[in-house]
Amino acid sequence: DAGITQSPRHKVTETGTPVTLRCHQTENHRYMYWYRQDPGHGLRLIHYSYGVKDTDKGEVSDGYSVSRSKTEDFLLTLESATSSQTSVYFCAISESYLGAQYFGPGTRLLVL
Amino acid sequence: GESVGLHLPTLSVQEGDNSIINCAYSNSASDYFIWYKQESGKGPQFIIDIRSNMDKRQGQRVTVLLNKTVKHLSLQIAATQPGDSAVYFCAEKEGGSEKLVFGKGTKLTVNP
Repeated sequence: DAGITQSPRHKVTETGTPVTLRCHQTENHRYMYWYRQDPGHGLRLIHYSYGVKDTDKGEVSDGYSVSRSKTEDFLLTLESATSSQTSVYFCAISESYLGAQYFGPGTRLLVL
Repeated sequence: GESVGLHLPTLSVQEGDNSIINCAYSNSASDYFIWYKQESGKGPQFIIDIRSNMDKRQGQRVTVLLNKTVKHLSLQIAATQPGDSAVYFCAEKEGGSEKLVFGKGTKLTVNP
């Protein structure tokens, strides 16, 4: 998984609670991405980062926030989880925007 | 809707046969394409990429063909093995963009 870890790998939480997912890379890549994967939708971009403290929204960013205080860590926060945020979340990294993205193992999140 | 890929079809092949997986894209400004493999419960794995200045690129047992005239991308897997069973999906990137757009994928099943 190209030196990418995600934590936790599985999480069950209740509606209305805050949740933070962590992506950690050891590749020193500049770009980091958060996606969600749902049946029938494929991978959809939530937020991405192009450097420390530099982030931008993707196509499904509502209800999510991100932070990147160090090159190696990219955090995804669900401020108040909803059942529609039940999904598998993948982090990806890329050396530059010109090249391929490499994915982590994913986090399965269930919001009850 | 999705600009890349077909609604998740399935492809079943016999071990040892060659497999061809197809992908259509609609953005004529896309200049970079990637094929990913995703096994059940795992993150997408980079297989091969191609830029729009090429028509064909070969890797180990895999070949990607790009037909820009009809906006079509294909992945050929030679001598398909049971370990190749997975969902395969393509992704495209518009020139200058930092974002990939993913198709929904094709499920490949290899029968022994």
